[in-house]
Amino acid sequence: AQTVTQSQPEMSVQEAETVTLSCTYDTSENNYYLFWYKQPPSRQMILVIRQEAYKQQNATENRFSVNFQKAAKSFSLKISDSQLGDTAMYFCATRPTGANSKLTFGKGITLSVRP
Amino acid sequence: NAGVMQNPRHLVRRRGQEARLRCSPMKGHSHVYWYRQLPEEGLKFMVYLQKENIIDESGMPKERFSAEFPKEGPSILRIQQVVRGDSAAYFCASSPRDGLVYGYTFGSGTRLTVV
Repeated sequence: AQTVTQSQPEMSVQEAETVTLSCTYDTSENNYYLFWYKQPPSRQMILVIRQEAYKQQNATENRFSVNFQKAAKSFSLKISDSQLGDTAMYFCATRPTGANSKLTFGKGITLSVRP
Repeated sequence: NAGVMQNPRHLVRRRGQEARLRCSPMKGHSHVYWYRQLPEEGLKFMVYLQKENIIDESGMPKERFSAEFPKEGPSILRIQQVVRGDSAAYFCASSPRDGLVYGYTFGSGTRLTVV
């Protein structure tokens, strides 16, 4: 079984600055993926970034990067040069790599970018 | 490519009525997943289907809820005799096959309100 914990319910950041969203997880699996999803007010769930647990290199996608600490089971998301359009809920999620497995989400964090 | 289409976007039902939520996966996707999002919560897995098969329904309530993904047509999540506690956003996601690496493609959800 997997659990995902996002302990910060909300955060705020000034436009153009950097913010880090925290996530910890627990899993009994050896191989798994980790994801960050964004949910803007439109409710659409948008994949922001993913990480394969067997890769030590942290994933990067433009202004988004992760700090993956496998031993600590930590998977934080860093957003650089924050933009107003980054205002949304952000969900951390994990799933095992095996067949027929499913995503397990955290409760999410509300990020507000201030102009 | 229209993406994952869910309809209706909003659905209001009185207690005791039936709710039918539809999901058309992305073209070429044969795997469908349903998730439920309660207020202030992350998404919770409900059911995973392939064409004409239920693969995993471990997240589905034992009574009143059912899901199908017929050979032709959309996937349907059906809730009979709805109660206030069923009020939530229901999301559908699809993937081309299991073992996906890139994360599912989500629809924009159906918000069910039971009055």
